[in-house]
Amino acid sequence: RKEVEQDPGPFNVPEGATVAFNCTYSNSASQSFFWYRQDCRKEPKLLMSVYSSGNEDGRFTAQLNRASQYISLLIRDSKLSDSATYLCVVNYRGAQKLVFGQGTRLTINP
Amino acid sequence: DVKVTQSSRYLVKRTGEKVFLECVQDMDHENMFWYRQDPGLGLRLIYFSYDVKMKEKGDIPEGYSVSREKKERFSLILESASTNQTSMYLCASTGGPEAFFGQGTRLTVV
Repeated sequence: RKEVEQDPGPFNVPEGATVAFNCTYSNSASQSFFWYRQDCRKEPKLLMSVYSSGNEDGRFTAQLNRASQYISLLIRDSKLSDSATYLCVVNYRGAQKLVFGQGTRLTINP
Repeated sequence: DVKVTQSSRYLVKRTGEKVFLECVQDMDHENMFWYRQDPGLGLRLIYFSYDVKMKEKGDIPEGYSVSREKKERFSLILESASTNQTSMYLCASTGGPEAFFGQGTRLTVV
């Protein structure tokens, strides 16, 4: 079983729709959680950190469920510019080791 | 702005060649990482380093070695390149929870 698993998609949704991604992780010692965004032929960049209490940044909401070991990302009122691959990332306690999911590809259609 | 620079964007090498991929960061970060990214597999950790001259194997170290003689520089070495090492290679550094990536090196082994 992979340490961090995501549905690879692709997700194709119309502009203005709400879309949600989930990600599961296997190691309960995981300490920090993130969503990164990667545009085509570019390097990944941090989208947002994920906190236990859940957090929001504009149209984006991230949630963490430690008991079930999953994190989620919700995008509301999606824009064409949201088209990208979204990577779930987990940092393990005691080691500066970032483990990435395989990414979920999202395409927003006009 | 943090800058992580990889020495080449594109490389073509022959099977059996020794290949060096260089990565330099300018923010005095302790931790540096080498990943490879392949379609459907996401980012997989090859090696990481949390200090000068220190290195740790990631998930797929076979066929690779690394060198960290100075804090700002982390080199990935393919001892004898093979066609299955054709991939996108990404270097990253962290000084806190967020990872900053280089622009990537697309290596083709023929």
